[in-house]
Amino acid sequence: EAQVTQNPRYLITVTGKKLTVTCSQNMNHEYMSWYRQDPGLGLRQIYYSMNVEVTDKGDVPEGYKVSRKEKRNFPLILESPSPNQTSLYFCASSPGGRYEAFFGQGTRLTVV
Amino acid sequence: GEDVEQSLFLSVREGDSSVINCTYTDSSSTYLYWYKQEPGAGLQLLTYIFSNMDMKQDQRLTVLLNKKDKHLSLRIADTQTGDSAIYFCAERTANRKLIWGLGTSLAVNP
Repeated sequence: EAQVTQNPRYLITVTGKKLTVTCSQNMNHEYMSWYRQDPGLGLRQIYYSMNVEVTDKGDVPEGYKVSRKEKRNFPLILESPSPNQTSLYFCASSPGGRYEAFFGQGTRLTVV
Repeated sequence: GEDVEQSLFLSVREGDSSVINCTYTDSSSTYLYWYKQEPGAGLQLLTYIFSNMDMKQDQRLTVLLNKKDKHLSLRIADTQTGDSAIYFCAERTANRKLIWGLGTSLAVNP
């Protein structure tokens, strides 16, 4: 089954404790991206990747890092999380970057 | 600047048609998309329309595009309770950026 898998689904952490949210897709898609979803602000893109070793900033990259060492994986790294990064995070992928074709189920992150 | 606007809420009765509207500002848009988000789930691509088309139909879904007015609509025929969700309009601009609306929450009442 074609899917984008994010882990964990829920995470509560403390300020400053480094964390990684994983994202994996099984469709051999070149394009992957990360979004955060906040009430009243909608979906905002954090980072995207057009292919292996090619990443670029989205609209709200501050406080986040990503890597794309393999085609299937696109982890989101928060080196020093802060409460303003409390949000619902989505990973997405597509075959050509023209649109976000498949989304993961989301990761609800709370930073206290 | 680039912006996509949608009304926040829509309530319909089961069996009626739903029409969700969206306006956008960037005239260089190439594709326009409709996504559905059910509670606790990720977004699901419902349909899309190329900017040189006026209409696209896919089973119960009809997308209408008025390029002159920069207006996009999604009509759901015979709306069912399973259609209750948040619907997002998104625009792909010529520089490949994706601009999202804030979403329209559709409530279907029995």
